[in-house]
Amino acid sequence: GQSLEQPSEVTAVEGAIVQINCTYQTSGFYGLSWYQQHDGGAPTFLSYNALDGLEETGRFSSFLSRSDSYGYLLLQELQMKDSASYFCAVRENMDSNYQLIWGAGTKLIIKP
Amino acid sequence: DSGVTQTPKHLITATGQRVTLRCSPRSGDLSVYWYQQSLDQGLQFLIQYYNGEERAKGNILERFSAQQFPDLHSELNLSSLELGDSALYFCASSVEGFGRGSGGELFFGEGSRLTVL
Repeated sequence: GQSLEQPSEVTAVEGAIVQINCTYQTSGFYGLSWYQQHDGGAPTFLSYNALDGLEETGRFSSFLSRSDSYGYLLLQELQMKDSASYFCAVRENMDSNYQLIWGAGTKLIIKP
Repeated sequence: DSGVTQTPKHLITATGQRVTLRCSPRSGDLSVYWYQQSLDQGLQFLIQYYNGEERAKGNILERFSAQQFPDLHSELNLSSLELGDSALYFCASSVEGFGRGSGGELFFGEGSRLTVL
């Protein structure tokens, strides 16, 4: 079956670095996406990895290892505004249609 | 601003009633997705349309239905409402839904918050 696992909650200190892991079990894997959602807001796209390795976008980086069915989102120089929920989502091909399978989300709590 | 428009933003209704949520996708996007998010929960995929046709179904109840019109806007109909249907309903759009495309980025609207009393 399909499943994604990510921690339900992570706590970090302002200015620090935090890593949010995501492990997945799917068929027809094409790539791993990350989305950010502030309380009461809409999810917004952060990154997408289709190939192994690290993708960097400013303070955020995302990593993928297809052989390990594992990825992570790395947030550096944490700011209070980074307090949000972070969702990983696997893009897979089912019946010739590309679907997104979502994790349950990780709530990132940042302390001053 | 994602370019996806959802109306209404807030809706309060009673159990047993029926409501319609509306979504206008980004200009040029052919795929529309509907998601339900209950308080402090993850995103539950309901249904996807591509260019007017149903493409995929998720955990959508039989009391719920949706459609995508020729102008690509979509409506989600929720009937015989129950207290447990209270949630944020998100619409998202993307360029492609069938065949190889980009990273599959979804653009979400701000959501319709439904409260069933």
